[in-house]
Parts: sequence; C-alpha cells; structure tokens
Amino acid sequence: DTGVSQDPRHKITKRGQNVTFRCDPISEHNRLYWYRQTLGQGPEFLTYFQNEAQLEKSRLLSDRFSAERPKGSFSTLEIQRTEQGDSAMYLCASSLQQGMGGEKLFFGSGTQLSVL
Amino acid sequence: DAKTTQPPSMDCAEGRAANLPCNHSTISGNEYVYWYRQIHSQGPQYIIHGLKNNETNEMASLIITEDRKSSTLILPHATLRDTAVYYCIVRGNNDMRFGAGTRLTVKP
Repeated sequence: DTGVSQDPRHKITKRGQNVTFRCDPISEHNRLYWYRQTLGQGPEFLTYFQNEAQLEKSRLLSDRFSAERPKGSFSTLEIQRTEQGDSAMYLCASSLQQGMGGEKLFFGSGTQLSVL
Repeated sequence: DAKTTQPPSMDCAEGRAANLPCNHSTISGNEYVYWYRQIHSQGPQYIIHGLKNNETNEMASLIITEDRKSSTLILPHATLRDTAVYYCIVRGNNDMRFGAGTRLTVKP
C-alpha cells in the first residue's frame, strides 16, 4: 500500500491555459474522488468514479472541468481555459467500497494550483 | 446528507484528553458518522467512523449518543502532532461532504 499519489504537487499557470492533474489511487480501490479546497475552507466535492464510471458530478464542476478514469485505475482532472478563481488545492481520494459497513477515504497530498 | 455543527476552534493541553463535539440532529437511520483530520498542507486523514455503537481504534474513540443526534471524538492523550482541523461528517449513500471543521490546537 503506497497510498494515493498525485502529480504534480504544485502547478503554476497563466490564465487561459489548460492544466491536467493525475491521481493514482491505492491499488484495487474501486472508488476515486476529486475534491477542491481553498484556504480556510473544508474540501468541496467535485466528482467521483466507481471503477471507470463517473457516477456523480457537483454543480461546482463547470463545463471547463473534465475528469476521466480510463480502465478504472488512475484518473485525470483537466481544467480548460483556467481562471484565477480556479486557484486551489485539488485533492484526490480513493476507497474500497464493499457494500455495508461504511467507507474509508484515503486522500493524497493534493495538487496546489495557482492561476496568475 | 445530514448537516453537522462543530465549534470553530478548541484548545487542549498536551497529554490531556481532547473531546471534540459534533451535532448532527437531522441524521438519518442509514447515515454513518465519520471523523477526518487535516494537518496543514496535507490531505485529510481518516480517523474513525460509526453508525450506532461507540467505536475505538488506535487513534481515537467515537462516542455517539443514543438518539444519534450528536457525537464526540476523543483523543485520549493529545500530543502536539494532533494539532489539526478535525472534520465531522455524516454520510449515507451520497458523497462525503466536509464542513469547516474544528481547529484543534494542542498546547505544551
């Protein structure tokens, strides 16, 4: 168990550019979540996958945001035409959901995005 | 999902028990109570969760009232490394939604 890995750790971009983040979940975890967190706030849910299927998307996720999880393994989160308001920490989490008993999410260290 | 109410901040002396309260008066029968914490610049870390019964693990104890409308996270012997933001979350079948949490400061 190597934990949830996110890459890059930091990203600085100019407004209007596209950025892509990657998340490698814990091996065999079937669920993968994306959150966004701004300073002083708790993480905000963006979207999650069960295997390769994207099951839920928050209203926070505008059309400029897209997430994929091909083959149910790693996931990417792309932001097109970045805006300064997109500056935040983007967190990924994974879990092994096996029915009843609750669900533990394991988080990565996040990608800190700064849009200039 | 039911909403939760937590105090914005708390202090605790090192070596003492830290008791973090959480109100969730609208909790439904199938919703679990979860606790996570977040140390500065890191992702949230799972602590413990429960449905009805009190739970204990190597990190903490979770006490849930009989009517399930509130709970308390107990760190039995707080250390300086326990300084963090602690999130209480109530969740059923939907996504895990975080509030603002309680900022716990453990003081020497």
